[in-house]
Order: sequence, then structure tokens, then C-alpha cells
Amino acid sequence: EIVMTQSPATLSVSPGERAALSCRASQNVRSNLAWYQQKPGQAPRLLIYGASTRATGIPARFSGSGSGTEFTLTISSLQSEDFAIYYCQQYDNWPPGYTFGQGTKLEIK
Amino acid sequence: EVQLVQSGAEVKKPGESLKISCEGSGYSFTTYWIGWVRQIPGKGLEWMGIIYPGDSDTRYSPSFQGQVTISADKTINTAYLQWSSLKASDTAIYYCASQYTTWGSWGRGTLVTVSS
Repeated sequence: EIVMTQSPATLSVSPGERAALSCRASQNVRSNLAWYQQKPGQAPRLLIYGASTRATGIPARFSGSGSGTEFTLTISSLQSEDFAIYYCQQYDNWPPGYTFGQGTKLEIK
Repeated sequence: EVQLVQSGAEVKKPGESLKISCEGSGYSFTTYWIGWVRQIPGKGLEWMGIIYPGDSDTRYSPSFQGQVTISADKTINTAYLQWSSLKASDTAIYYCASQYTTWGSWGRGTLVTVSS
């Protein structure tokens, strides 16, 4: 199984500031990496796929970078609605199967 | 508009069987994989398995192999997740998701509560 490790577990940032969330894969997943946002009581929402392509309707303040084993999600200027839990997910191949990171909680400082 | 409509919440007793569903619309259901994801309350997301409705090719995550059965009926654009004997530890929200738009389409989730 490919293990995805996100850091930090919790990130405290003030509105208007920049946030950078990290995700590391235990083996090469090429660019088959997605980022999701999840708010309480809601299904995950796809933000980024292919490591760096924004999904339809996602604001430009969200950007993704990286390939292979190291990835970053950057939110350039945090809005109040961005405070949520963020998950990375690799979808490189099956087997061994897709896996999520454990999540980063982005909270208001 | 792409939609994945999941069946409603269930309350079951340990040992009971259950089958929940996910109906797709607004895209070619048979030509994109459908996946099932578990979320235990307050915890993270876990991929359980995927199915290709066109030919029912099914793949399971090692943690869920033998624990659940994933199936699909392409004639009614519906995928299923079933248990033959539920355990309390199966209490969770179960989401279906479609590979259409690179796993960007998700159902709202089905809450399954298993309690004696």
C-alpha cells in the first residue's frame, strides 16, 4: 500500500495570509495526486487533480505543485470559507489501490 | 449535471446484512469507475474499492477485501456496497465517487449505524 503523509496535522493561519500544506507519498505516484476540502457534514470537494490542475469552479487562490513523492497545496490569501480539513489522495494505480493522507485541519488563528 | 444519489441512512444490528446504493446520472455511467470511500465519524477517508460498471471489473483495498462486496447494475446506472454480517465497527459514512472529472463527483454519503 502507498502511504500518504500530510503535514502539519493542524495549521493555524489568519485570514488573508498564505497557507502551504504538504503531502508526501511513500513511493512514486507521478502526478496522480488530488487535493480535497471537507467541511463538517459535507462530502469531500475536489480542489486539485493531476497534482496541479484546478477542478471546475475552484478559485485561483488554490494551487497545487509537485510530482513523484512530494506535493504542496497552497492557498494564497485565506478566506473565511477556506477553514476546513484538507486531504491529499493518490490515484496512481490499482493494485495497490488509492489512498488518502490523514488530513490537515486548517484553522483560524 | 452530474449527480450521484445515494440511498438513505440505515440503522442495523450486528450480524444483519445490508446493501446500500449509488445511482449515477448526467454522464456515461458505464465508462467510468465508481469507488466507495469510508469515513468513520471524526476520522479520515479510506478507499474501500472500485468497480467499472461496464464489465463489473472490481478491485478492493486489502483492508476491505472479504469484508464487503461491491457490485453494479449498468442497466439502471447503480452501484452497490453490501455487507453479509455487519459489525459495530462498520458504523460510518459511506461515500460513492465517480472517476468522471477525475474523482470530482461524489455522493452525499450514506450513514450506516450498527448498534445492538
